[in-house]
Amino acid sequence: EVQLVESGGGLVQPGGSLRLSCAASGFSFSNSWMTWVRQTPGKGLEWVASINEDGSDKYYVDSVKGRFTFSRDNTKNALYLQMNGLRGDDTAVYYCARGWGAIWGQGTMVTVSS
Amino acid sequence: DVVMTQSPVSLPVTLGQPASISCRSSQSLVNSAGNTLLNWFQQRPGQSPRRLIYKVSDRDSGVPDRFSGSGSGTDFTLKITRVEAEDVAVYYCMQSAHWPWTFGQGTRVEIK
Repeated sequence: EVQLVESGGGLVQPGGSLRLSCAASGFSFSNSWMTWVRQTPGKGLEWVASINEDGSDKYYVDSVKGRFTFSRDNTKNALYLQMNGLRGDDTAVYYCARGWGAIWGQGTMVTVSS
Repeated sequence: DVVMTQSPVSLPVTLGQPASISCRSSQSLVNSAGNTLLNWFQQRPGQSPRRLIYKVSDRDSGVPDRFSGSGSGTDFTLKITRVEAEDVAVYYCMQSAHWPWTFGQGTRVEIK
């Protein structure tokens, strides 16, 4: 079964850190660009970052540059989003997706609040 | 950044009737390889988004053929030929031709 499963979300104080993970199965992970998209409660979708097949090329939305790091481990079919310096406006459901959004996970909620 | 503008914001439709959603981009969505990278997503209440259409008009596997995409350059349309109850959702367009990728603000389709 083609599947993406995110984990690692939770409640964190402003300025804190979280590491999100995404486990992939059922498709050729090592041959796929992968993407993170977030959705603030009751609002629309925002692209966060994308990474190429071997992890050598990464792109980020300006609002997370220098704070978030996207990485992948093709031996484990896993993605990671290290989020540092978290702010209130980072509060959102974070989804991992394949490429241009062909497959999506169920999302993991990140809440930044004191 | 490429600004994606959808209209209408809300679309009440009678069951069995057609629906059309417009998406306009602030610049051409043709990438360096000559592909027009415009995607459409459906997000039903309480669910993750699901891609319906990629590269303007290519339908994803399992998507009913009542959904179709069209357009070129900066002007795109998602059409539903006959709306069914399961089509109640928010629909988003997204461009993946230029970094950063950007989404439209969404169009809520509801039943009259």
